[in-house]
Parts: sequence; structure tokens; C-alpha cells
Amino acid sequence: QQQVKQSPQSLIVQKGGISIINCAYENTAFDYFPWYQQFPGKGPALLIAIRPDVSEKKEGRFTISFNKSAKQFSLHIMDSQPGDSATYFCAASKGDKIIFGKGTRLHILP
Amino acid sequence: DTGVSQDPRHKITKRGQNVTFRCDPISEHNRLYWYRQTLGQGPEFLTYFQNEAQLEKSRLLSDRFSAERPKGSFSTLEIQRTEQGDSAMYLCASSKQEWGTEAFFGQGTRLTVV
Repeated sequence: QQQVKQSPQSLIVQKGGISIINCAYENTAFDYFPWYQQFPGKGPALLIAIRPDVSEKKEGRFTISFNKSAKQFSLHIMDSQPGDSATYFCAASKGDKIIFGKGTRLHILP
Repeated sequence: DTGVSQDPRHKITKRGQNVTFRCDPISEHNRLYWYRQTLGQGPEFLTYFQNEAQLEKSRLLSDRFSAERPKGSFSTLEIQRTEQGDSAMYLCASSKQEWGTEAFFGQGTRLTVV
């Protein structure tokens, strides 16, 4: 059973455009929802995270939108840049281990 | 370097051999996690420690896998009688115990079983 479902698998966006990645979760006990960014040959690195009592969190060009009733959350990358090209993972946790989605490979066209 | 350190970075081994990986977490972090990542997939949880206690093991962790964190500092992950299906990136992460604290990942050990 996949507890965190992520889409799309891959995404191509023009430079300056908005990149949107979506995730859905099953377990209502999850109470921490981070997004990780991973470059080839590197471990994942935390990008931004949100709690379920907040509907939106913004840090620079990155925004998480959270819909608790639908059990869905999404990452928006505004003004996408070629340096944003990486694999992005949504994740969820209930205070112990972190469960990851399968990832979205994002490519920003120059 | 005060990040999570993993050793070795790469390991090639013959099927049937035993391998051991080491993870040195960030020093003040009392939680340590092991994940496995195959190409094109997200990290899959294997096990985690709080200090020296192993609190949870995934069903992915067969009897051939064992992890230790003897003094609550570094950890080792051993795979016995390796199989080709064990080929993957093995990631270690550490965090503080408090809710919502960031888990910092190492660069991983890439295992290839031939």
C-alpha cells in the first residue's frame, strides 16, 4: 500500500513558468508534510514543510498548498529556473519515520 | 564537515558476499534512519533508531539485513549473502527527536551486486 502518492512522474516547464507537483496521502495520523529536493548523486535535502493546521506556506519561490479534507497537498515553484531541475519528493510523517512519494523529475527549459 | 557522513560511497560486491555500511549522524541528533532508494523511486524506509534503541523495522528488512547503533552515535547496516536485488542506494539520515524537525540525509552508499 502506497501511503503517499505523487504526480506527475516527470514535468517539463519553461524558465519563468510555474511548476506544480501534487501529492495525496492515506493516513490521517500524518502531521508533518515535508518536500525534499534531490540532485543526482546527492541525498535528499529538505526544501519546505507544512503542518496540517495551516493551508499554505510560502518560502521564497516555493509554496505548499495543503487541503486537509481532501488529504492532498501540492508544491508550487514560481518563476522556475534551470537550477530547480531536480527530483522532488513529497513526504509525510506522524512523528517517527518519514514516508516518501515516488518522486517527480522536474526539468526546467532554459 | 558537520553533516551526515556515509562510508563507503560506492561498493561493488559479488553475489553471496556480506557487506557493511557505516553512517555517522550529526552529533546532537538522537534519531538515525536507514532508507533504500532504487533508480527512479523515492527512498523506502528500512529502520530507525532513537539513541541506541532500534524502534522500528520495515518488512523490507529481511533476515539478511541487520542494523546497529551500539553507543547511540554511529550506525552500521550489514547485508549478509547479498543478492542482485539488493543493488540500490542506501541512505542514512539523522534528526533531533522533536516533532517536525528536519531529517538530514547523507550522500548515500551505492551498492552494486554482481
